[in-house]
Amino acid sequence: QSALTQPASVSGSPGQSITVSCTGTSSDIGGYNYVSWFQQHPGKAPKLILYEVSNRPSGVSNRFSGSKSGNTASLTISGLQAEDEADYYCSSYTSSITRVFGTGTKVTVI
Amino acid sequence: QVQLVQSGAELKKPGASVKVSCKASGYTFTNYGIYWVRQAPGQGLEWVGWISGYNGHTNYAQKLQGRVTLTTDTSTSTAYMDLRSLRSDDTAVYYCARVLGELLDFWGQGTLVAISS
Repeated sequence: QSALTQPASVSGSPGQSITVSCTGTSSDIGGYNYVSWFQQHPGKAPKLILYEVSNRPSGVSNRFSGSKSGNTASLTISGLQAEDEADYYCSSYTSSITRVFGTGTKVTVI
Repeated sequence: QVQLVQSGAELKKPGASVKVSCKASGYTFTNYGIYWVRQAPGQGLEWVGWISGYNGHTNYAQKLQGRVTLTTDTSTSTAYMDLRSLRSDDTAVYYCARVLGELLDFWGQGTLVAISS
């Protein structure tokens, strides 16, 4: 199972909106609405910020939103803040009854 | 409060085995599953496998099939990951995470497993 494809880096200014893409295949993203997004700050464990494409766990800011079209899922961060600077990973359920993560995207607030 | 506390760092030689524990507290262990995820130094996340806290059913990443075994001890609310025939590219931080459906809501602190001769 190959990793899902994400851009290596995305940057934006405070207050702007940015979008991180995550591309898979019909055997993972395209086949199921089971896409999750994780935020990871340096030296910390990942934190779930979206699940089932667009659902936010309790306590996660509504500045984080998700969508999916075909084999590509997207994470949008609106009103970018300094604390959003982190690595972001997508993940999907697969037809092999396993999970696959994306390659990861470093979000920089400039 | 929900906590997942993992065992300490390990240094192993190539070909050896390692067993990492993940002790859960603050919730009913058998109502959730446990995911194991690893992260090599400076690299991305890699799914290792899943085990049901209810019946011990497992799924493993194809890449690790045959070398990894996930188990639980419901009497102590502890999950274990056993990885055999260790290679240098198994060097990583290994995380456990509580899972219910698509919700991975609590994570352990991570355990560094280093492989070196």
